[in-house]
Amino acid sequence: AQTVTQSQPEMSVQEAETVTLSCTYDTSESDYYLFWYKQPPSRQMILVIRQEAYKQQNATENRFSVNFQKAAKSFSLKISDSQLGDAAMYFCAYSPWGGGSQGNLIFGKGTKLSVKP
Amino acid sequence: GAVVSQHPSWVICKSGTSVKIECRSLDFQATTMFWYRQFPKQSLMLMATSNEGSKATYEQGVEKDKFLINHASLTLSTLTVTSAHPEDSSFYICSARDLKTSGSSPYEQYFGPGTRLTVT
Repeated sequence: AQTVTQSQPEMSVQEAETVTLSCTYDTSESDYYLFWYKQPPSRQMILVIRQEAYKQQNATENRFSVNFQKAAKSFSLKISDSQLGDAAMYFCAYSPWGGGSQGNLIFGKGTKLSVKP
Repeated sequence: GAVVSQHPSWVICKSGTSVKIECRSLDFQATTMFWYRQFPKQSLMLMATSNEGSKATYEQGVEKDKFLINHASLTLSTLTVTSAHPEDSSFYICSARDLKTSGSSPYEQYFGPGTRLTVT
């Protein structure tokens, strides 16, 4: 069974600084998707960034980028120029390839990110 | 676009009663909807996957008779918690896949805002 591990329950960063959140996963599949979701206090899940496992290039979305190491099964999230609005719970998630009804998300336990002004 | 709503956003019910939570895709048709449960300060755990017109697939450990899921149309799935008990108190989140983009973007899931259930 696939598992997702986030070893940092809490992280803190100074506003405008850079922070990296760690995530490792375990799977025997070669094709899959990886995601980072943000859950602010409103509890609405927001997709931050996604990565297809077959792509070697790391995904980037504005201030958010990932370091995807497929062989090491590592998928870290880097947030640059941190803003107060980045404070939230961040969940790393895995989804099998193929989507449809099989494409459910497996979440890590989450990392609570605090941003200090 | 791609908005998912949940109703109610917060419900309090007495132990032994049943409560229904609705999940609607407002501007797209959803082939598949997922129901998650989230305890305070914990992660999301998948409860079941529902496909329009067919029976839901429940995850191991989830009681089918307690958590009834109905996906009667391409825009509505309901979760009914039957004979609720205080331990059922939790935050329930649904997500939906867009029928039109499920082929090109099979990974895309749109999340509802969640429903907070408190059983007294």
